[in-house]
Amino acid sequence: GAVVSQHPSRVICKSGTSVKIECRSLDFQATTMFWYRQFPKQSLMLMATSNEGSKATYEQGVEKDKFLINHASLTLSTLTVTSAHPEDSSFYICSAQDGGPYNEQFFGPGTRLTVL
Amino acid sequence: KQEVTQIPAALSVPEGENLVLNCSFTDSAIYNLQWFRQDPGKGLTSLLLIQSSQREQTSGRLNASLDKSSGRSTLYIAASQPGDSATYLCAVKRAAGNKLTFGGGTRVLVKP
Repeated sequence: GAVVSQHPSRVICKSGTSVKIECRSLDFQATTMFWYRQFPKQSLMLMATSNEGSKATYEQGVEKDKFLINHASLTLSTLTVTSAHPEDSSFYICSAQDGGPYNEQFFGPGTRLTVL
Repeated sequence: KQEVTQIPAALSVPEGENLVLNCSFTDSAIYNLQWFRQDPGKGLTSLLLIQSSQREQTSGRLNASLDKSSGRSTLYIAASQPGDSATYLCAVKRAAGNKLTFGGGTRVLVKP
């Protein structure tokens, strides 16, 4: 199946700093990528839908200025957590849609963010 | 608004027993349904994808059925193994390019 990578896999930062997470589709082009957040022992919550070359669509309750999303190419989307605080600590997962007959989403391995 | 529910939330079985995981959704107007596996601290691995026009999909020991009219899908795992221990998530997509709505997951433990 298609491969999606995320970098970094784990990051620890001080409160107030900004953190950038990259999501790459390695062997296919993805016009649409999705960013999810997952708290311990809970399911995935969609944060935003990212379309290449246009502004991201955020889910209700997700702060656009807090979670900046850029989808500059067909293989790369980035999520920047600005001025991170301890409550932003979470597991962030991206997915990329392959545009094939089933529009299947392939998920990255996730990024564990810990804000001290 | 689509809601997806998975019951039970957790399941523990002895090795060799068959697993039956349930997923229900409130809006039957779906495009497809996917079953995923997630190991602790890891991303999601797609197991099976069922299109709305299909009734079931099979891959090895895994079989997933879909009854769109009743809003249900069931994932069967035959002859469970300790390596099957993980959280299993189902998700539905409403339209071709639309987002996935996830259930809460079922945490499975297969005891050797």
